[in-house]
Amino acid sequence: QVQLQESGPGLVKPSGTLSLTCAVSGGSISNNNWWTWVRQPPGRGLEWIGEIYHSGSTNYNPSLKSRVTISVDKSKIQFSLKLSSVTAADTAVYYCARVRYYYDSSGYYIPYFDYWGQGTLVTVSS
Amino acid sequence: DIQMTQSPFSLSASVGDRVTITCRASQSINSFLNWYQQKPGKAPKLLIYAASSLQTGVPSRFSGSGSGTDFTLTISSLRLEDFATYYCQQTYSTPGTFGQGTKVEIK
Repeated sequence: QVQLQESGPGLVKPSGTLSLTCAVSGGSISNNNWWTWVRQPPGRGLEWIGEIYHSGSTNYNPSLKSRVTISVDKSKIQFSLKLSSVTAADTAVYYCARVRYYYDSSGYYIPYFDYWGQGTLVTVSS
Repeated sequence: DIQMTQSPFSLSASVGDRVTITCRASQSINSFLNWYQQKPGKAPKLLIYAASSLQTGVPSRFSGSGSGTDFTLTISSLRLEDFATYYCQQTYSTPGTFGQGTKVEIK
């Protein structure tokens, strides 16, 4: 069974850079999967941040694109998130997840997030 | 971005009730619609993918339907462990977006 575990500082100063890592166990990071980051501000809904393929290809949420970098380290079986120039609005629980695809009868590949990490709270404060 | 609107925002129900949550997309998303359950302090859990496919291990009392812009999550007979917040998610276009959530509370 695939397991994901986020790690990183729980407190980041305003204007600093948030850095998190997601360790993958129970499976290969190089299988035909994308890996993604989602965040959730306290008491609020879910926001997709971006995703990465094992080859290093990425897609980002345009609202965050100028500040986000997602990378993968296949040797360490992990992928990482960096978010620069953070403000209090970036305070959230950050989740990593695996993206899977369902091939439906119409010929579409439909993405969904099947395995999630437990999440880690990052607070932006001085 | 595609906007996902869930209704109701919250509902109160009793054990054994049939519960229906709806999700409407601001444009057609075919069947690119997933449903998640989230309990306080926990990560979201996948229930339904591709609008109507039940994730392995999820009880059969959960079902999903719909296509295009209108989708439904149904819990046929509510159990105590089903009290949680439910989110729909579209993955038709980037950025994937979630509904605002529907909180199912004990009546």
